Parts: sequence; C-alpha cells; structure tokens
Amino acid sequence: GQNIDQPTEMTATEGAIVQINCTYQTSGFNGLFWYQQHAGEAPTFLSYNVLDGLEEKGRFSSFLSRSKGYSYLLLKELQMKDSASYLCAVRDRDYKLSFGAGTTVTVRA
Amino acid sequence: IAGITQAPTSQILAAGRRMTLRCTQDMRHNAMYWYRQDLGLGLRLIHYSNTAGTTGKGEVPDGYSVSRANTDDFPLTLASAVPSQTSVYFCASSERAHDLPFFGPGTRLTVL
Repeated sequence: GQNIDQPTEMTATEGAIVQINCTYQTSGFNGLFWYQQHAGEAPTFLSYNVLDGLEEKGRFSSFLSRSKGYSYLLLKELQMKDSASYLCAVRDRDYKLSFGAGTTVTVRA
Repeated sequence: IAGITQAPTSQILAAGRRMTLRCTQDMRHNAMYWYRQDLGLGLRLIHYSNTAGTTGKGEVPDGYSVSRANTDDFPLTLASAVPSQTSVYFCASSERAHDLPFFGPGTRLTVL
C-alpha cells in the first residue's frame, strides 16, 4: 500500500508564496495528483505529475521527484480564495489511488 | 448540468438503523466510487464499480454494501449503522476504471 505524508496546516499572507510538501512510499508508481478542497465542498483536481520535474499551471506549480518519493505544490501570488485543503494523492502499480490527509492552507490579509 | 448528485446532503441517524446514501451521475461514466473522509485520515475508498453490474471492495468496506444495477446509480447502504461510521461520504465517478475520479458534493452522516 501507500504511505503519504503532508503537513497538517500552513498559514501565509495574501500575495505570498506557499509550498506544500508531500512524501510518499508506494508499491509501484503511476502518477501523483493534487486536489483542492474548500471547506464543505468536494475535492477538485488541480495537477498531475508522472515524470520528474515541474508542471506549471498559472499560479500553481507541482514538482515531482520519483527517486526521492517527494512532491510539492507551489501556490504563488496567494489570494484569499486559495484558503482550502490541498490533498496529495498517489496511484500505485495497480492504479489504486490513495490520498494523504490533506494540508489546510489559511491565507491572511 | 452534468455532474454527480448525492442525497441526502446531511443526515443524523440512530445507531442500529439502516441507511442508504444515494448517488447519481449523468456523465455516462463507467466507473463509480464511494469514499469516506475523516479528519486526519484523508479520503479512503469504501467500494467501487468499474462498470454496471460489477462491484469491488476498497480499503474500508466492512459495514457497507453497494449495488450497480445501471450506469447512472451507485447507492451505498449501511445495514446497521454504528457511531464509527460518522463521516463525510463522497461519491465519485470516472469515464473508465483507473481514470481520475470526479467527486460529488458529499453527504455528511452522523450516527449517534
């Protein structure tokens, strides 16, 4: 199975940058995913990495190092609406998707 | 509007009662899933269905059952609810098995 670790909470100021780290141990690897979940709502897909390196999508970027079992999600130019939980998820060799517990990001004015 | 609907939105249930959570999708997705989300534990897969007529067990299936009589509906039944089943339940679907799931709005269930 998978073991996925990410910080429980992070706080940052509007306009700043926040980096959410995710480490994982998995039996085989078929991709790492980040989801955003606002309080009381469903998770929504943010980004996908299957090869090493950085994937950029607007203000959000996600990085993967398969050899280190490590990823991060970078949120730039933080806005109040970015206050949410961010879930790291890993898919193993059998395409089973496992989720971390999530990181709650609070953006302060 | 295409998507997933779940009912009820929230429910308070006495322990020992039977409860069915409903899930309907109109995207003609083949695969459907039930997850529960608990503080500090993240999303955990309860049951899944790769196509109509088939179901499988996920990570935490005990105390739950599902059926998939058609493509659109995937109800989750708690035969005799217990307090440890207090959670937020998300139904999800994907076009094919192993594709990334798209999540419904969730049902908040409290078992007393």
